[in-house]
Amino acid sequence: GENVEQHPSTLSVQEGDSAVIKCTYSDSASNYFPWYKQELGKRPQLIIDIRSNVGEKKDQRIAVTLNKTAKHFSLHITETQPEDSAVYFCAVTYNFNKFYFGSGTKLNVKP
Amino acid sequence: EADIYQTPRYLVIGTGKKITLECSQTMGHDKMYWYQQDPGMELHLIHYSYGVNSTEKGDLSSESTVSRIRTEHFPLTLESARPSHTSQYLCASTLLGNTIYFGEGSWLTVV
Repeated sequence: GENVEQHPSTLSVQEGDSAVIKCTYSDSASNYFPWYKQELGKRPQLIIDIRSNVGEKKDQRIAVTLNKTAKHFSLHITETQPEDSAVYFCAVTYNFNKFYFGSGTKLNVKP
Repeated sequence: EADIYQTPRYLVIGTGKKITLECSQTMGHDKMYWYQQDPGMELHLIHYSYGVNSTEKGDLSSESTVSRIRTEHFPLTLESARPSHTSQYLCASTLLGNTIYFGEGSWLTVV
């Protein structure tokens, strides 16, 4: 099966700084890579995703980059705000069957 | 509104009791999943279903069982609850070409 590793497990940044979270995966056939944000006591919610035929995708302050050759993808958050504080999960799937999740990154944005 | 509905949201039960966690989705999705998650921690896949009458065990061993008699309904049953079953249970669903969506979760405490 797929093996997804996510780093770092915790990340603390000052408000306004950038944050980067990286995930690596093992199955080269994987073709869809979403990122989820989970606030305390709430369900994980999709914030951005990327498909294997695209190298980068941006949505306002967040972006995802994908390196298929190296089998890793990263979440980039610029101009961080306190409301960005949450746990972030990456996920990997081949053809939208089983989704394999990373172990999560707890992001703390200090005001 | 199209969503994934879980009941009960919060439950405290005694050891040895039988409990069924309900999950229904009105999104027309064919694939459904159950994840177990301690607060802010990894998402562990315990059961999944690709369609009616199709169920599989996930990557984390679980003493629970599931059924899929109707497309929109995917209940999870614990025959004899133990304190080690105390956790949050997240139901999720997806359709080919779509990302995975989560319900709000059922918080189970076994005393």
